[in-house]
Amino acid sequence: NAGVMQNPRHLVRRRGQEARLRCSPMKGHSHVYWYRQLPEEGLKFMVYLQKENIIDESGMPKERFSAEFPKEGPSILRIQQVVRGDSAAYFCASSLPERAGYTFGSGTRLTVV
Amino acid sequence: KNEVEQSPQNLTAQEGEFITINCSYSVGISALHWLQQHPGGGIVSLFMLSSGKKKHGRLIATINIQEKHSSLHITASHPRDSAVYICAVRSVDSNYQLIWGAGTKLIIKP
Repeated sequence: NAGVMQNPRHLVRRRGQEARLRCSPMKGHSHVYWYRQLPEEGLKFMVYLQKENIIDESGMPKERFSAEFPKEGPSILRIQQVVRGDSAAYFCASSLPERAGYTFGSGTRLTVV
Repeated sequence: KNEVEQSPQNLTAQEGEFITINCSYSVGISALHWLQQHPGGGIVSLFMLSSGKKKHGRLIATINIQEKHSSLHITASHPRDSAVYICAVRSVDSNYQLIWGAGTKLIIKP
């Protein structure tokens, strides 16, 4: 029973390119959460998704960022036209019902050069 | 004032020492999480607590709901325990959002 799988582990993009981060939740988990950790800072909530639904995206920047969790396949966090300030670790977590425990992935470290 | 405060911010100890990391919060909560993050590594969920005490190996987590305080203890500490330990709470106002502490950076010297 694999845990939460995130890929890639490391991603380097030039300014202006697109970054796609993938998260496969634990088997049976239908709730996915994305968090961002800027260097030397704590985690910040970005978005909460259930299958085919965005429940709460209050932590997402208004522009260039989008997330989806399709019926089939992993959840995708997409960052368009990346800038240096997007460099961070992006963590995904999944859970069963909302009040259950979370399982975190190993994160994707995005570096924008 | 942050809603979740951890202390100490940094902790250096010798191998074998008993370690205590504290977490105080100011909101009503439905659950409290302790997580571990190694440098450059992922996040591992250690405990989820809503009352009492939990033990896993050398790790013990306690919570006092009345005092709004939780502690994470490590017995017989080892250099491989060196990591950042993070306390996060789920408030009663939210079914899912976690309020995060700033973390405690623990270094265990051999």
